[in-house]
Amino acid sequence: AQSVTQPDIHITVSEGASLELRCNYSYGATPYLFWYVQSPGQGLQLLLKYFSGDTLVQGIKGFEAEFKRSQSSFNLRKPSVHWSDAAEYFCAVENTGNQFYFGTGTSLTVIP
Amino acid sequence: GAVVSQHPSRVICKSGTSVKIECRSLDFQATTMFWYRQFPKQSLMLMATSNEGSKATYEQGVEKDKFLINHASLTLSTLTVTSAHPEDSSFYICSATGLLSSYEQYFGPGTRLTVT
Repeated sequence: AQSVTQPDIHITVSEGASLELRCNYSYGATPYLFWYVQSPGQGLQLLLKYFSGDTLVQGIKGFEAEFKRSQSSFNLRKPSVHWSDAAEYFCAVENTGNQFYFGTGTSLTVIP
Repeated sequence: GAVVSQHPSRVICKSGTSVKIECRSLDFQATTMFWYRQFPKQSLMLMATSNEGSKATYEQGVEKDKFLINHASLTLSTLTVTSAHPEDSSFYICSATGLLSSYEQYFGPGTRLTVT
């Protein structure tokens, strides 16, 4: 069965600092992996996705993620965080039935 | 890009009543639609998968008689919460995949249901 683990429930970083959000997945086949961001009371916004090919994926808002099959990971990174990045971040894996399974989310706080 | 809308965005209903939430794909035909539920400060949990013209497939633990899903057309799916109770209060999000790219999935903005 597929599952996604986000080990960090909450992360606080200073504005301008670098960020890495961890995501580990369990899936039997080649995974389709996603990162979404959610602001309070809002829907999901896709940051980036990995289907195949280059394991370093560039997304919107300066985010990137690296797929590491050997570690079953798909960590999200940003070199310099902005105050507007404060939100909830979800990692997800999509199975062959197009069903998404989300991690528990990581809440990001950005301090001035 | 493809747009999925949900209506209403917020709804308050009394305990025991039923409420319907609509999910529409505005500019593409959605072969499959999905319904998720999100409790405060928690992740999204897949409730059910629906294909146009067929019965929805529910995830384990989701009561199909309580959460009625209808996918009558390629652009509309509805979720009806029947005999709502306060514990049904949640954020419901739908998503859809289209004919052109079955791996791309588009999420609606969500519906906040509060049962009093």
